[in-house]
Amino acid sequence: DTGVSQDPRHKITKRGQNVTFRCDPISEHNRLYWYRQTLGQGPEFLTYFQNEAQLEKSRLLSDRFSAERPKGSFSTLEIQRTEQGDSAMYLCASSQHSGRAPDTQYFGPGTRLTVL
Amino acid sequence: GQSLEQPSEVTAVEGAIVQINCTYQTSGFYGLSWYQQHDGGAPTFLSYNALDGLEETGRFSSFLSRSDSYGYLLLQELQMKDSASYFCAVHSNYQLIWGAGTKLIIKP
Repeated sequence: DTGVSQDPRHKITKRGQNVTFRCDPISEHNRLYWYRQTLGQGPEFLTYFQNEAQLEKSRLLSDRFSAERPKGSFSTLEIQRTEQGDSAMYLCASSQHSGRAPDTQYFGPGTRLTVL
Repeated sequence: GQSLEQPSEVTAVEGAIVQINCTYQTSGFYGLSWYQQHDGGAPTFLSYNALDGLEETGRFSSFLSRSDSYGYLLLQELQMKDSASYFCAVHSNYQLIWGAGTKLIIKP
């Protein structure tokens, strides 16, 4: 168990550019979550997958945001036409969902996005 | 609406005991978790309560009262390394709903 990893750890981009972040969950975990966190706030849920199925995406902040988990393992989060308001920490978490009780989510180190 | 309330900041002395309270109002409730987050780091899971009562894990304990929509995290024998932000989070259906966090400042 190497934990949840995210890449890159930091991303600086210019307004209007597209960015893509990657998350590798804990290998045996079937659920993967994306959150956004701004300074002084708790993480804000964006979307989640169970295996390769995206079960909830209505919380994605706008249609500029999209996420994929094509093979049920790693996931990518893409932000198109970035805006300065997108600057935040993007966190990925994974869990093993058994259906009997809420999952414990384990978080990656995050990708800090700065939009200039 | 859905909301979690916790103090924004708590100050304590090394070696002391501190309690961080959390009240919540959510449309669904399956349990309450607590996470620790150091500056620039990822949230780290501390504890989970689904039923009323106290859960103890080493120096940390967590309490839940579902009838009062209230919980707390108790940290004992505070160490400087405990300086961090602490978040309560409600398990509501498939997602975690988070409070804004409590910054714990520990003085020697």
